[in-house]
Amino acid sequence: LAKTTQPISMDSYEGQEVNITCSHNNIATNDYITWYQQFPSQGPRFIIQGYKTKVTNEVASLFIPADRKSSTLSLPRVSLSDTAVYYCLVGPDTGRRALTFGSGTRLQVQP
Amino acid sequence: DGGITQSPKYLFRKEGQNVTLSCEQNLNHDAMYWYRQDPGQGLRLIYYSQIVNDFQKGDIAEGYSVSREKKESFPLTVTSAQKNPTAFYLCASSSPPAREQFFGPGTRLTVL
Repeated sequence: LAKTTQPISMDSYEGQEVNITCSHNNIATNDYITWYQQFPSQGPRFIIQGYKTKVTNEVASLFIPADRKSSTLSLPRVSLSDTAVYYCLVGPDTGRRALTFGSGTRLQVQP
Repeated sequence: DGGITQSPKYLFRKEGQNVTLSCEQNLNHDAMYWYRQDPGQGLRLIYYSQIVNDFQKGDIAEGYSVSREKKESFPLTVTSAQKNPTAFYLCASSSPPAREQFFGPGTRLTVL
């Protein structure tokens, strides 16, 4: 699985847009980019997955440039409840394979 | 409601004792996984099973054992051979072609 690098922590305020970037220089052709969210003392929860360009769902957008060596998770208008750890994972067929989680990005949203 | 259940939520164990953590899913998923999480760290894979009666070691399998006798159940035993078992344990399941894993609420194990 491709190694990923993301910031250790980020701070934001309620109502702001938050962008978390993940670097994955060794991404393979058949790799997808997947983001999970984890609240303290809970299991991670799938947020979004993409392969190229832009993917949007009801909670987030995922931007992937043409070279796919990085990706950006965008959370629009964050609230206090978005305070969590966000993990970027890169790999093929993530529905059937064991996942490799790094330390993630700890997002703290202030009022 | 479909989902994954783990029990108990909190577990205390004396050093030298084996303990079994329960994981049950009613999602009809083929694959199940066990992860360990230490404070401030990401998740590390202990064992996974893609099908009943078959399982593979993950990155940190030493001191742990599993069984997969039923599709819906994947219990994890933490043995006395595990030198530092205090951690948060998470169970997950998935089934292709799904793109995501579904996680249980976790069991926090503390060795006294």
